[in-house]
Amino acid sequence: EVQLVESGGGLVQPGGSLRLSCAVSGLTFSRDWMSWVRQAPGKGLEWVANIKHDGGEKYYVDSVKGRFTISRDNAKNSLYLQMTSLRAEDSAVYYCARRGCSGGDCYYPNWFDPWGQGTLVTVSS
Amino acid sequence: DIQMTQSPSSLSASVGDRVTITCRASQSIRSYLNWYQQKPGKAPKLLIYAASSLQSGVPSRFSGSGSGTDYTLTISSLQPEDFVTYYCQQSYTFPYNFGRGTNLEIK
Repeated sequence: EVQLVESGGGLVQPGGSLRLSCAVSGLTFSRDWMSWVRQAPGKGLEWVANIKHDGGEKYYVDSVKGRFTISRDNAKNSLYLQMTSLRAEDSAVYYCARRGCSGGDCYYPNWFDPWGQGTLVTVSS
Repeated sequence: DIQMTQSPSSLSASVGDRVTITCRASQSIRSYLNWYQQKPGKAPKLLIYAASSLQSGVPSRFSGSGSGTDYTLTISSLQPEDFVTYYCQQSYTFPYNFGRGTNLEIK
């Protein structure tokens, strides 16, 4: 059974830091690109970051560049998101998801599937 | 950045109806367009990838079409469990923007 289980969310003050984790099972994690996607309360979905299977490529939405760092530990089948200098607008449910793909190079096409259940991050004083 | 304009933002329909949701990209995304379904309090679920490919396990009443900048998600005969929210998403270039969602409501 495929499972992606996020953890590490919580309440943090503006300017603070938080590290999210995503434990993955049932997938060939070390061969998969992975992603973080977030959803502010009552709002739509926003892609946050991608990481290549070997960690050699990382991509971020502009609003988190320089503040968030995506990483992975293939030996532990785990994905991480280190978040620093947090702002109120970073408050959201954060989902980890596999970036599925077809084709040998796994660049195009691509999609998010499956997803974890999400972890809530609230940035507030 | 490529902007994704999804319409309508909400749609009222009845069980058994055929409905279409539209997504327009601000430039060509070469059919790198995905559709997701999200139930309240749950993670999104992939329905359609690459504009028209049905994800394994998704009922055949869901279909996608389109090319260039214009794409559609069609549900051929609405079932009670389909009255939730749908999102399109382009995967052609970063940032991988989503549409703002369509809330499908029971009439």
